[in-house]
Amino acid sequence: QKEVEQDPGPLSVPEGAIVSLNCTYSNSAFQYFMWYRQYSRKGPELLMYTYSSGNKEDGRFTAQVDKSSKYISLFIRDSQPSDSATYLCAMSGGSARQLTFGSGTQLTVLP
Amino acid sequence: NAGVMQNPRHLVRRRGQEARLRCSPMKGHSHVYWYRQLPEEGLKFMVYLQKENIIDESGMPKERFSAEFPKEGPSILRIQQVVRGDSAAYFCASSLGQLNTEAFFGQGTRLTVV
Repeated sequence: QKEVEQDPGPLSVPEGAIVSLNCTYSNSAFQYFMWYRQYSRKGPELLMYTYSSGNKEDGRFTAQVDKSSKYISLFIRDSQPSDSATYLCAMSGGSARQLTFGSGTQLTVLP
Repeated sequence: NAGVMQNPRHLVRRRGQEARLRCSPMKGHSHVYWYRQLPEEGLKFMVYLQKENIIDESGMPKERFSAEFPKEGPSILRIQQVVRGDSAAYFCASSLGQLNTEAFFGQGTRLTVV
């Protein structure tokens, strides 16, 4: 079993839809949770960073962390074609200083 | 993030040759991480370095791979005697402190072994 599980998709939605992306994890030591966006053949770009449980909002993006369920989510409101990319969850904590990534969800927002 | 510079962007090597990948972190960042991304997969941690020190190399293959971050100059990921299975995108990330805070990635080096 992978430490971080992420549905690879692909996920296709119409413009303006609300998108929900999710990851589950098994390591209870994880405390820091990130979402990265990666366009094709580019480097990952940090979107959201959350510490421990709770919600964080930034514009059209909302990150949620539920440590009791070991489940994190990223919501995108009013999705745009420019949001089409692969979204990677990542996390760290405990003795590990590196990030552990999910495999990524490929999102396409159709105009 | 344009602040982390990786070069070359594309590298083609024949089997048995050496590959050298370079990473210049963002200004002021002294922590560097290397990750490898295979097609359709997420990023896998390889090594974490600070200036002149390897802090964690638990993700590095035991043979043929090495990394350094000298006092002056970029961090280097070196792959000796490359094989086809080394073909991947290699990403470098840098941060101000340990990676529990925000990390910024470069655009990657895409290595193709022919």
